[in-house]
Amino acid sequence: GDSVTQMEGPVTLSEEAFLTINCTYTATGYPSLFWYVQYPGEGLQLLLKATKADDKGSNKGFEATYRKETTSFHLEKGSVQVSDSAVYFCPPQNFGNEKLTFGTGTRLTIIP
Amino acid sequence: GAVVSQHPSWVICKSGTSVKIECRSLDFQATTMFWYRQFPKQSLMLMATSNEGSKATYEQGVEKDKFLINHASLTLSTLTVTSAHPEDSSFYICSASPPPQGRTFFGQGTRLTVV
Repeated sequence: GDSVTQMEGPVTLSEEAFLTINCTYTATGYPSLFWYVQYPGEGLQLLLKATKADDKGSNKGFEATYRKETTSFHLEKGSVQVSDSAVYFCPPQNFGNEKLTFGTGTRLTIIP
Repeated sequence: GAVVSQHPSWVICKSGTSVKIECRSLDFQATTMFWYRQFPKQSLMLMATSNEGSKATYEQGVEKDKFLINHASLTLSTLTVTSAHPEDSSFYICSASPPPQGRTFFGQGTRLTVV
């Protein structure tokens, strides 16, 4: 079955620091890749996605590139803000399969 | 855009009582919804797949008599935690995908505390 390995957290950075959260996946077929963000006490929101190799998803200053050769989808942001403090998940998903496989998520804390 | 709404956002109940959590798709019909449980160290575990008009499909290790799922309409799935105990305290999240399948939308989550 599908699986995902995320960078172990918690990750603590100072405001304006550069962020990388690693994510590698194992999946059958050719999945789409997603990053979801969960702010404290809330459900998950889609942050960005990519549907094919070499696609770059971006949103709110975050970026991730679909690397099929390394089965990775690392999340990056050039300058983080306190408001980026949240838990981040990167489940792969094949079209037609609504079921998502989550890893442990990565908790990010940004300190002013 | 498509919205999935959960209710209540939080609930406190006494041990031995039952609690019902609702998950609604507000602007689309969902023949399938999913229920997840989030443990203290944040990992999300799929509990079951809720199927409109038929029985839910439970993941291995999830007690179906403990976590009753009813998907009586195309816009509503309910999760009932029966005879709740403190170890059932957790954050429960539902999700659904509007057709054509692709993007997944999540409810806001429900924090259950059993005292």
